[in-house]
Amino acid sequence: AQTVTQSQPEMSVQEAETVTLSCTYDTSESNYYLFWYKQPPSRQMILVIRQEAYKQQNATENRFSVNFQKAAKSFSLKISDSQLGDTAMYFCAFMNGGGSQGNLIFGKGTKLSVKP
Amino acid sequence: DSGVTQTPKHLITATGQRVTLRCSPRSGDLSVYWYQQSLDQGLQFLIQYYNGEERAKGNILERFSAQQFPDLHSELNLSSLELGDSALYFCASSVGTSGVYNEQFFGPGTRLTVL
Repeated sequence: AQTVTQSQPEMSVQEAETVTLSCTYDTSESNYYLFWYKQPPSRQMILVIRQEAYKQQNATENRFSVNFQKAAKSFSLKISDSQLGDTAMYFCAFMNGGGSQGNLIFGKGTKLSVKP
Repeated sequence: DSGVTQTPKHLITATGQRVTLRCSPRSGDLSVYWYQQSLDQGLQFLIQYYNGEERAKGNILERFSAQQFPDLHSELNLSSLELGDSALYFCASSVGTSGVYNEQFFGPGTRLTVL
């Protein structure tokens, strides 16, 4: 069974600084996807960034980028130029790319606080 | 707005009762997923339906059941409720299922409180 581990329950960063959130996963699959979701105080789940396992290039979305280390099964999220609106819970998630299921497996989350 | 709607937003009920949570997927989406978010268990996948048929089961209790109707909306039924069932229940939808990537769009959730 696949597992996702986020070892940092809470983190804080100063506004405009850079922060990196860690995630490791365990799977025997070769075809899969990895995601970072943001959950602000409104509780809405918002997709931040996606990485396909077959792509060597790290995904980037504006201020958000990932460091995908497939051999190490590591998938960290870097937030540059942190903004107050980045304050939220961040969840790392795994999706198997094959088979008949498409459900997400989530880590426990990291609570990020951006301080002015 | 993701295009996924969930009703009701909040639900307060007593132990032993039964409730039904409703989800309407985005227009054109055939897959519906149900997730439970609780303080102790985190975010857990419960069940998936694709075009009316059950496709995958996760950590769903026997007291819980779901179905997807011909108009593709889905309902999650929770019965013999216990205090530990208090959680935020999310519905998500996607165009298809697996094989190719299908982004899941999440609804706003239904907050269930069991007293």
